[in-house]
Amino acid sequence: RKEVEQDPGPFNVPEGATVAFNCTYSNSASQSFFWYRQDCRKEPKLLMSVYSSGNEDGRFTAQLNRASQYISLLIRDSKLSDSATYLCAVLNQGGKLIFGQGTELSVKP
Amino acid sequence: NAGVMQNPRHLVRRRGQEARLRCSPMKGHSHVYWYRQLPEEGLKFMVYLQKENIIDESGMPKERFSAEFPKEGPSILRIQQVVRGDSAAYFCASSPPTGLSTDTQYFGPGTRLTVL
Repeated sequence: RKEVEQDPGPFNVPEGATVAFNCTYSNSASQSFFWYRQDCRKEPKLLMSVYSSGNEDGRFTAQLNRASQYISLLIRDSKLSDSATYLCAVLNQGGKLIFGQGTELSVKP
Repeated sequence: NAGVMQNPRHLVRRRGQEARLRCSPMKGHSHVYWYRQLPEEGLKFMVYLQKENIIDESGMPKERFSAEFPKEGPSILRIQQVVRGDSAAYFCASSPPTGLSTDTQYFGPGTRLTVL
């Protein structure tokens, strides 16, 4: 079993749609959780950190469920510019990030 | 405040040559991480370094690969006797010196290595 698993997609959605991504992790001792965005295999850019209490940044909402060991990302009112690959990342105690394989999102006009 | 810098951005090598990839962390950051992304695959951790110390190299291939982060200058990822399977994007990330488990890692633009 992979340490971090994501549905690879692709998710093809129309503009304005709401889309949700889930990510599961296997190491219950994991400390920190992040969503990164990667465009055309350029460098990953931090989208948001994920906290147990949940956090929101504009159209983006991230949630962490420690009991079930999954992380989610919700994107509301999708824009064409949201098209990218979304990477779930888990920071383990040694300081290294473990990435999921990424979920590809394509927003169509 | 400049971000993480990597050079070269693109590197072409023939089989058997050496590849040297450089990474300068963000100003004030003293933790450096190297990740590799093979074609059609996700990002995989390779090595975690602090100044003059290798903290975790569990993701480094056992042979031909080495990394350093000297007291002065950039971090270097060195690949000796490259093979076609080494062709990938190599990303460097850095984080602040606090060493907290919540520290965010910021990524450089990557070096795309092509082995002919």
